[in-house]
Amino acid sequence: EAGVTQFPSHSVIEKGQTVTLRCDPISGHDNLYWYRRVMGKEIKFLLHFVKESKQDESGMPNNRFLAERTGGTYSTLKVQPAELEDSGVYFCASSLSGQGYGYTFGSGTRLTVV
Amino acid sequence: QKEVEQNSGPLSVPEGAIASLNCTYSDRGSQSFFWYRQYSGKSPELIMFIYSNGDKEDGRFTAQLNKASQYVSLLIRDSQPSDSATYLCAVPSGNTPLVFGKGTRLSVIA
Repeated sequence: EAGVTQFPSHSVIEKGQTVTLRCDPISGHDNLYWYRRVMGKEIKFLLHFVKESKQDESGMPNNRFLAERTGGTYSTLKVQPAELEDSGVYFCASSLSGQGYGYTFGSGTRLTVV
Repeated sequence: QKEVEQNSGPLSVPEGAIASLNCTYSDRGSQSFFWYRQYSGKSPELIMFIYSNGDKEDGRFTAQLNKASQYVSLLIRDSQPSDSATYLCAVPSGNTPLVFGKGTRLSVIA
C-alpha cells in the first residue's frame, strides 16, 4: 500500500511569492489533515478535510493560506503571498474514519521563505 | 485550547535501560491516546495507541494510561541507540483532530 505522498520535499521561495504544496493521501482514507511544525515548536493543526469538505479549518493562520481537496482525492495547500514566518515543515496526514484510527503522515514539505 | 504537555528533554538513558516518557493532557473527555516517534528530518510514525486505563504492551513498548490523573506514559524497555528520536504524545477530543505535544527528545547512549 502506498503511503501518504507529499511534494515538493523542499521549497525555497522569496517573501511575497506563491507556493503550492501537494498531498496524496492513502487511497480510501476519507480524512486528510494538514499540520505545520515551525522550528522549536510543536506540530500544529491547520485543517481537516473529510472527503472534499473542510471539516475544520480553525488552525489556518490567516487568509494567505488556501487549501483545497477537489474530488476528495489529493489536496493542495497554497500560500500566497508567502511571509518569513511561514517557514517550517508542512505535514499532511490521512486516516480512516472512526474513533481511534491513528494518522499516517507524509514525509513533509520543508518550506523556507527568504 | 486543548493542551498536551510533555517534557522536552533531552532524556538520556544508557543502552539496555528503561526509558520513561510522560504526557499530560487537559481535556478530560479525551478517549484515545497516541504515541508517535519522529526521527530527525523524518515524519512522525505511529508506534502505540491506548484507549483503556492501565497498560498496553507491544514488544519493548508499554503505554500506560491513567484517565483520572489525565496522564499517559510510554515505557521503552531494553532501550537501543536506534530508539533515539523525539517521541510525540497526541490526543484527539471527540471529532477534533489530534493535538500534539512538543515532544520529548530521547537519547540512548551506547
